[in-house]
Amino acid sequence: DAKTTQPNSMESNEEEPVHLPCNHSTISGTDYIHWYRQLPSQGPEYVIHGLTSNVNNRMASLAIAEDRKSSTLILHRATLRDAAVYYCILSPTGGSNYKLTFGKGTLLTVNP
Amino acid sequence: EAQVTQNPRYLITVTGKKLTVTCSQNMNHEYMSWYRQDPGLGLRQIYYSMNVEVTDKGDVPEGYKVSRKEKRNFPLILESPSPNQTSLYFCASSPYDLSRAEAFFGQGTRLTVV
Repeated sequence: DAKTTQPNSMESNEEEPVHLPCNHSTISGTDYIHWYRQLPSQGPEYVIHGLTSNVNNRMASLAIAEDRKSSTLILHRATLRDAAVYYCILSPTGGSNYKLTFGKGTLLTVNP
Repeated sequence: EAQVTQNPRYLITVTGKKLTVTCSQNMNHEYMSWYRQDPGLGLRQIYYSMNVEVTDKGDVPEGYKVSRKEKRNFPLILESPSPNQTSLYFCASSPYDLSRAEAFFGQGTRLTVV
C-alpha cells in the first residue's frame, strides 16, 4: 500500500485557518485521498476525499498538488471543536476496497 | 439520525469468558467492519463484511469471530478473551467500496480483559 507522511503535531489559534499537509509520493493514479479525524474519546469521522481536483465541503477543503504527491487539508476557521487527530489515507480503486489504513496522523491543537 | 451504534461502551471481563460486542447501523449500508485501536499501533482492521453472510479477515483476526445474519447488525465475538485483546474497538459501515464512499464509525467500545 502507498504510504502517507504527516507531521506528528500542529498548533493553531481559534478562528484562524489551518493547513494540514500530507505527503504521498508513491501514490498511484487510481488512489483516492481521504481525510478522517478523531476527536478525543470518539470514533473516526470522515472529513473529505478527492482524486485529482480540489474539493470543498461544509467541513473543509482539500487541495491536491498537480502531481498528486502531496495534499493539504484546509480548515478555514479553526474552532476548539476541531482539536483532533487528523488522518490522511490513500484508498485504492481497481478492486473492492474494504479497508482504511490509518497511520499515526497529525494531532491538531487549537488555542483559544 | 444516521448512525452506527455499538454496545456496550465499556466492558471489563475476565480471561476466557465469552463476550459479544454488538454493532448496528441504520443506513442500509452493505459494508461493515471492525477495527481495534491500540497506543502506538493505530487502528487496525479485524474483520469486514461486504454483505449479509459474506465476511472476511482483516489484518488482525486471531481470537475474534463475526457474523452477518442481517444487513444492519455485525456483532464481534470473543470466544475466549485474553488480556492482549484489551483495546478500544470501533465498528464502521459504508454504503460501498471505501475508495469512493465515506465510512461511518461507532463511538467505540473500551474492553479490558483481566
